[in-house]
Amino acid sequence: GQQVMQIPQYQHVQEGEDFTTYCNSSTTLSNIQWYKQRPGGHPVFLIQLVKSGEVKKQKRLTFQFGEAKKNSSLHITATQTTDVGTYFCAGRWVDGGTSYGKLTFGQGTILTVHP
Amino acid sequence: DTEVTQTPKHLVMGMTNKKSLKCEQHMGHRAMYWYKQKAKKPPELMFVYSYEKLSINESVPSRFSPECPNSSLLNLHLHALQPEDSALYLCASSQDPGQGQSRYNEQFFGPGTRLTVL
Repeated sequence: GQQVMQIPQYQHVQEGEDFTTYCNSSTTLSNIQWYKQRPGGHPVFLIQLVKSGEVKKQKRLTFQFGEAKKNSSLHITATQTTDVGTYFCAGRWVDGGTSYGKLTFGQGTILTVHP
Repeated sequence: DTEVTQTPKHLVMGMTNKKSLKCEQHMGHRAMYWYKQKAKKPPELMFVYSYEKLSINESVPSRFSPECPNSSLLNLHLHALQPEDSALYLCASSQDPGQGQSRYNEQFFGPGTRLTVL
């Protein structure tokens, strides 16, 4: 089946440092979504990227979708302790509708922020 | 109301028990999902209901049986589970199940049911 590879698996940063997680698909994505899961919590939707080369910002978070729609990244500027959690990308592929509704999650990046 | 609720929060069951997980949303969403999540792993899709019809079954063993009684409710019936089925079971919903460019397929997750099979 189709997969999204996400790296790194873990990232430890000092508060105030930047953080980036990357996702890559071997085939063209239809769109990609990003979710955050706090420790002990459930995934919470952050954003959806649809267009080639799209860049979206939410305060300190910047999301990018590659020109070929095969990769995406999430960058956090000046991390805070409230950023702690696991960040997942989740991709959809164009396939004629057989996987209608299906999101495939990357492995996630577990972010730890040291105060 | 932008919430997905799940009951129970925790469930401990033996391998011979029958139990059910429940999920409810009142956002008018027409797609509902069951996911299984093991510790430090991503959610794995199990089932998708689209307009109250089962549209995706990710080759889930028959000891898991989904049911969608109406557009707001989703159940997962459990029978003869194995210890390796212990996990967090997440329900999610989205306004639109479709792929493509719809803004309306962001998924809203419930808090999950933490299942332990003894």
